[in-house]
Amino acid sequence: EVQLVESGGGLAQPGGSLRLSCATSGFTFSNYEFNWVRQAPGKGLEWVSYISRSTIFYADSVKGRFTTSRDNAKNSLYLQMNSLRADDTAIYYCARGFGGFAFDIWGQGTMVTVSS
Amino acid sequence: SYVLTQPPSVSVAPGETARIACVGNNVGSKSVHWYQQKAGQAPVVVIYYDSDRPSGIPERFSGSNSGNTATLTIIRVEAGDEAVYFCQVWDTNTDHVVFGGGTKLTV
Repeated sequence: EVQLVESGGGLAQPGGSLRLSCATSGFTFSNYEFNWVRQAPGKGLEWVSYISRSTIFYADSVKGRFTTSRDNAKNSLYLQMNSLRADDTAIYYCARGFGGFAFDIWGQGTMVTVSS
Repeated sequence: SYVLTQPPSVSVAPGETARIACVGNNVGSKSVHWYQQKAGQAPVVVIYYDSDRPSGIPERFSGSNSGNTATLTIIRVEAGDEAVYFCQVWDTNTDHVVFGGGTKLTV
């Protein structure tokens, strides 16, 4: 079964850091591109980052603060979040890329709350 | 930056047809993908590349894209179709993914 499972969410203080993980199974991880997408409480979807084998893109709202990486040996995707702000509070989803920029499989999400 | 505009809500009776618009500047030149998000769940792709339907998605769901408007059409709407629907494109000018604001479908 194809699966994406996020972890690492929780409560962080403003200015603090968190590292999210996305563990995958059921497919050949190295053949795919991935994205992080977030959703603030009661709001719509906001794209955060894209990673392929050799390219990484970031939304303007997180560029310079967030870093996306992947470990093909561990079939996992990561999102290092630094200098966190209150408006980073959201559910963070990892999503597998299909044909580039459609997202065919999503994880269940992990909640990040930034508050003092 | 590129903007996709969706109506906040659409309401239809069971058995009717729902049409959800996604408006963007020359969106017809881009590939549009549609996601369904039910309450408390992760999004699910229902249409990709304007009009392709993933396996497992009912034939009642279809998509079109031309000019400045992409449209998700759901015929014979059922209570289980009640959800928020998001359109999405890749903006080649900024190398950014762009989502529409979402449309809540009430049945």
